[in-house]
Amino acid sequence: DSGVTQTPKHLITATGQRVTLRCSPRSGDLSVYWYQQSLDQGLQFLIQYYNGEERAKGNILERFSAQQFPDLHSELNLSSLELGDSALYFCASSVAGGQPYEQYFGPGTRLTVT
Amino acid sequence: GDSVTQMEGPVTLSEEAFLTINCTYTATGYPSLFWYVQYPGEGLQLLLKATKADDKGSNKGFEATYRKETTSFHLEKGSVQVSDSAVYFCALFAYNQGGKLIFGQGTELSVKP
Repeated sequence: DSGVTQTPKHLITATGQRVTLRCSPRSGDLSVYWYQQSLDQGLQFLIQYYNGEERAKGNILERFSAQQFPDLHSELNLSSLELGDSALYFCASSVAGGQPYEQYFGPGTRLTVT
Repeated sequence: GDSVTQMEGPVTLSEEAFLTINCTYTATGYPSLFWYVQYPGEGLQLLLKATKADDKGSNKGFEATYRKETTSFHLEKGSVQVSDSAVYFCALFAYNQGGKLIFGQGTELSVKP
């Protein structure tokens, strides 16, 4: 158990819908990262937050957004969903950002868009 | 941009066989390098890391040496077990891209008894 929790574990929704994925980092970790894992794209970095502020952005679509709240949990919002958004979404946390600290991964949320 | 290339899988070995999973990288500067492992149905776990050239990371019998001259970080284990069956990801820490991890495509390892 990494100490990172993600909810829900599975999500099935229809095209055009909007969903919110939630992540709680390990106790004491200030940085949260979101990754998307799909068969065709592999594991892709989406976005990083550090202590409530956006720190780095990767291959995140404009239809996706994220935020980190004062209690350090984070949410990833996916809107106008398309079939191609079906993937496993991981959250990871580390003690800080900007240095190669170990990132601890949650178990992931499997999103299926039908 | 920075990138990581791993050998394609799946790799199938018999128990106690020697394992090598190749990983090469392209990066500006000197990134830190990692191997992560993903067991079925779970998230990724850090297996080992190396932060500078010639460093050797090791954990649970796995080893990898950071080779700057060949831009490689190959994963090795002398004697694999069935419990090592998983997907292995090589990654680099991109200092010049906000400090994100860039992953290779993953290599699936299956160990047969």
